[in-house]
Amino acid sequence: DTAVSQTPKYLVTQMGNDKSIKCEQNLGHDTMYWYKQDSKKFLKIMFSYNNKELIINETVPNRFSPKSPDKAHLNLHINSLELGDSAVYFCASSQDGGPNTEAFFGQGTRLTVV
Amino acid sequence: DAKTTQPPSMDCAEGRAANLPCNHSTISGNEYVYWYRQIHSQGPQYIIHGLKNNETNEMASLIITEDRKSSTLILPHATLRDTAVYYCIVRVVPHDDKIIFGKGTRLHILP
Repeated sequence: DTAVSQTPKYLVTQMGNDKSIKCEQNLGHDTMYWYKQDSKKFLKIMFSYNNKELIINETVPNRFSPKSPDKAHLNLHINSLELGDSAVYFCASSQDGGPNTEAFFGQGTRLTVV
Repeated sequence: DAKTTQPPSMDCAEGRAANLPCNHSTISGNEYVYWYRQIHSQGPQYIIHGLKNNETNEMASLIITEDRKSSTLILPHATLRDTAVYYCIVRVVPHDDKIIFGKGTRLHILP
């Protein structure tokens, strides 16, 4: 069983479109994240949710809207896609409390805006 | 911004120990040292973490200096599958809700 799963794995779309990436974790974790990895391979945090509540929004354009229907899911909706949104997006989850809070990452969604 | 400094790349012969250094000279007392790696096109994978004592698990060993200003990740018998980018991260737990990745070290395992 995949601990953190993202769909789709690849997404090619035109500028101006609206798209969503879904993320689900079956680990019972309280915290979920979205990261963006650009062409220079820098991994940057975008959002962090804890028990469905937004904790961190790292100055991401408001075209990006995360939605957490329950604590096992954190979806990423992107409006009016731009060329610069092309990147690999990773979802992750971790359990709160204590030092043993390793994060588990999904396999990524490669978004290409044309 | 990442609070760690790592060499951009390293080579290691297959079967030998790979020793990856990390400098975290501004680490504070409640920050842990974490290591993750990212194999090409995959999501980052947790390796190990520690506070001040050396740690070992099935994947690697973590050696933290007594002053905690630097650490070394050791892969005891490197294989080709260990070729990846390795990230050293400092993180306050449990209050820190984000993992800040730096540029990491690209480790090449040579056959």
